Amino acid sequence: TQLLEQSPQFLSIQEGENLTVYCNSSSVFSSLQWYRQEPGEGPVLLVTVVTGGEVKKLKRLTFQFGDARKDSSLHITAAQPGDTGLYLCAGESGGSNYKLTFGKGTLLTVNP
Amino acid sequence: DAGVIQSPRHEVTEMGQEVTLRCKPISGHDYLFWYRQTMMRGLELLIYFNNNVPIDDSGMPEDRFSAKMPNASFSTLKIQPSEPRDSAVYFCASRDTLTDTQYFGPGTRLTVL
Repeated sequence: TQLLEQSPQFLSIQEGENLTVYCNSSSVFSSLQWYRQEPGEGPVLLVTVVTGGEVKKLKRLTFQFGDARKDSSLHITAAQPGDTGLYLCAGESGGSNYKLTFGKGTLLTVNP
Repeated sequence: DAGVIQSPRHEVTEMGQEVTLRCKPISGHDYLFWYRQTMMRGLELLIYFNNNVPIDDSGMPEDRFSAKMPNASFSTLKIQPSEPRDSAVYFCASRDTLTDTQYFGPGTRLTVL
């Protein structure tokens, strides 16, 4: 069974601070996705990383896929209250199998 | 497009009752997924369909759970009989294979008393 461990589980910071959340596994994934989920809504895809060592930027968010494609990180610069939410990583095994394995998430609160 | 539509948004029922959750995927998406989310276990895949055919149901917890997709625009997840441990938020998602993006519905919050 493939497992994804996310850390930290909870993070509460002040507006303007930087933060990094991590997603780790002992398994190799063909791709890794990051989602943000707000209360009462479904997860929304932020980014997909595919190549080992790949770095993608989405405004103040920077996503990195580990060289061995087993881990990933999400770095937020100058966090805003609008960044508040549950951040989930999900790994895909690849091929024609579209199953996603999700981590339990990091609940981020950015205080004004 | 209105996105993935789920109904009802909230369901409260008593143990032993049958529960049916409904999903309308985004038009043109060939894959449909059912997930369950709890604090303890996170977001878990229950079953997914491709072109209305179930491909992998290994996440369905037990025989009390069943899912159908009679056509490309409708799917149901049924729990019979329901138990308190089934209380969770159930999400439906459909996949755009051109962009490899899964779109989630707003979820159904199920409470079994």
